[in-house]
Amino acid sequence: NAGVTQTPKFQVLKTGQSMTLQCAQDMNHEYMSWYRQDPGMGLRLIHYSVGAGITDQGEVPNGYNVSRSTTEDFPLRLLSAAPSQTSVYFCASSYGGVPIHLGGEAFFGQGTRLTVV
Amino acid sequence: GEDVEQSLFLSVREGDSSVINCTYTDSSSTYLYWYKQEPGAGLQLLTYIFSNMDMKQDQRLTVLLNKKDKHLSLRIADTQTGDSAIYFCAQGTYKYIFGTGTRLKVLA
Repeated sequence: NAGVTQTPKFQVLKTGQSMTLQCAQDMNHEYMSWYRQDPGMGLRLIHYSVGAGITDQGEVPNGYNVSRSTTEDFPLRLLSAAPSQTSVYFCASSYGGVPIHLGGEAFFGQGTRLTVV
Repeated sequence: GEDVEQSLFLSVREGDSSVINCTYTDSSSTYLYWYKQEPGAGLQLLTYIFSNMDMKQDQRLTVLLNKKDKHLSLRIADTQTGDSAIYFCAQGTYKYIFGTGTRLKVLA
């Protein structure tokens, strides 16, 4: 049981390049989400999914695309990288609609540190 | 929109108690959470409190919830160097609103 796996761990991009951050979970969780972490700003929600084929925007979706073709995978695409997207990105997953005291806890990946130059 | 605020830094001596505070604006959340982030790692759920509770104790951790003032606190008793980390309060269900995080530094 690997939990939530993010790849790569580190990435440097040039402005204008595109790339995909990978996120996979092996816990059969319905809910998956992407956050970015910036100093002094906590974690902000980029996009989330409540199940395969269903995605929605979070607080800061501009410049990012997502898709959810399988329960296990939730990739985040940067369409044209900008220096403002330099951040640490976290993927999280959880069971849908399950209270936390019954195992509904969200699990986070180790993060992807992205630098755009 | 919803907002969650925390102070950015806290420094305590080993063996002392640490108190990390959080204020929030959305009173509809069923649960409020405390997450811990160690250097270079993801977030790990530390503890949580149900919104109809005032206090929850879990070993060295005590969570206090003041619903009237929308104030949440985390007290760590007998703080150890291994407690040095960033602590986030959060609210929500499957999508969360996180505070800015409090970096706790424990001095030996």
